[in-house]
Amino acid sequence: GEDVEQSLFLSVREGDSSVINCTYTDSSSTYLYWYKQEPGAGLQLLTYIFSNMDMKQDQRLTVLLNKKDKHLSLRIADTQTGDSAIYFCAEKGPSGYALNFGKGTSLLVTP
Amino acid sequence: DTGVSQDPRHKITKRGQNVTFRCDPISEHNRLYWYRQTLGQGPEFLTYFQNEAQLEKSRLLSDRFSAERPKGSFSTLEIQRTEQGDSAMYLCASSLGGRVSGANVLTFGAGSRLTVL
Repeated sequence: GEDVEQSLFLSVREGDSSVINCTYTDSSSTYLYWYKQEPGAGLQLLTYIFSNMDMKQDQRLTVLLNKKDKHLSLRIADTQTGDSAIYFCAEKGPSGYALNFGKGTSLLVTP
Repeated sequence: DTGVSQDPRHKITKRGQNVTFRCDPISEHNRLYWYRQTLGQGPEFLTYFQNEAQLEKSRLLSDRFSAERPKGSFSTLEIQRTEQGDSAMYLCASSLGGRVSGANVLTFGAGSRLTVL
């Protein structure tokens, strides 16, 4: 996704919080998504947020949306080694159905 | 229902050969999507179907690529005269139709990895 930007790599220690950031350019995006991909597997939906919300919390996951700055973040509390994966930010594409993905942020959790 | 199934999981072929991938979506999902993912990149949209109708195609879908969903259930993606640049993971996803303003959550399969020698 050329319109969705993410930092490529993040390393954290087990037990710390992880924050993965994303910027998007389509101000008309109504929904924004976070997907997780483990090695050799497809993408798994973690959560999504509607554009009229500023925050959404789901267990260890907190999504923050700054619509003015077109900035989305995913915070993972108490990060575990099993959270090591690639995390993709996505927005709804112009058609309203297909999603546009960023290049992904590779999260490494060390003991 | 076990989710979105893709077959084969891995295909190795020689340049110039044709390959076909199959995707079985979640049974009640009427929308089906094909994406391509190369190493270090996010999934790139190729095409999408609503029931049997192919409603959108990316410019990435060259003339050598064709996708079908003849009965609105499973779909096939065929690549003719494969090139080394076609080597990638081909991901299929499905979703349950609703309003265009809805969340439209895509469920992905595990992917079919293509290696062109």
